Amino acid sequence: GAGVSQTPSNKVTEKGKYVELRCDPISGHTALYWYRQSLGQGPEFLIYFQGTGAADDSGLPNDRFFAVRPEGSVSTLKIQRTERGDSAVYLCASSTPGGGPTEAFFGQGTRLTVV
Amino acid sequence: RKEVEQDPGPFNVPEGATVAFNCTYSNSASQSFFWYRQDCRKEPKLLMSVYSSGNEDGRFTAQLNRASQYISLLIRDSKLSDSATYLCVVAGGNQFYFGTGTSLTVIP
Repeated sequence: GAGVSQTPSNKVTEKGKYVELRCDPISGHTALYWYRQSLGQGPEFLIYFQGTGAADDSGLPNDRFFAVRPEGSVSTLKIQRTERGDSAVYLCASSTPGGGPTEAFFGQGTRLTVV
Repeated sequence: RKEVEQDPGPFNVPEGATVAFNCTYSNSASQSFFWYRQDCRKEPKLLMSVYSSGNEDGRFTAQLNRASQYISLLIRDSKLSDSATYLCVVAGGNQFYFGTGTSLTVIP
């Protein structure tokens, strides 16, 4: 497909477990973003990649959260020792490179539920 | 202070009405501005970019006031299909900052 793909679409996990969420951006998009969206709120920035490197990880809430993008394409968001408060929709977006931010294209998100 | 502030609504309007949403942003160095639409349990999708001169796309008009750091979206002749959450987005430094969204329900 031509869009941003996220897997799984839904994930239910027990408190304390480790989860990985995957994002496959639009081909050729070097900028990749992870956001978290809770019910009734707008997307909250987590981390931004330009190519393989995390250009800005200031939105990661604590050290249980980590993300990688080893080859500059697919990215994985990793959450250790999950807590019930981590339950949310995790959105990934990608955009084209350029002199400034252009349109961000979003995947359909992974709905994470920690029980 | 949040980067982007929006009135969350909800706005409930009859079909055919005109409705306006407003948004303010805190960083005067912001570079790009957008309105995104998000349907229930779906991902946000770009509705329109917002330019300094103001721009129109059919029934939708977006305006930007850099001096007041204020963005607006006007929807004319509302349709039932316009029911959604409208997110104000401000971009700068390669980051996109989202407002909390304004909920619109168009009533038959």
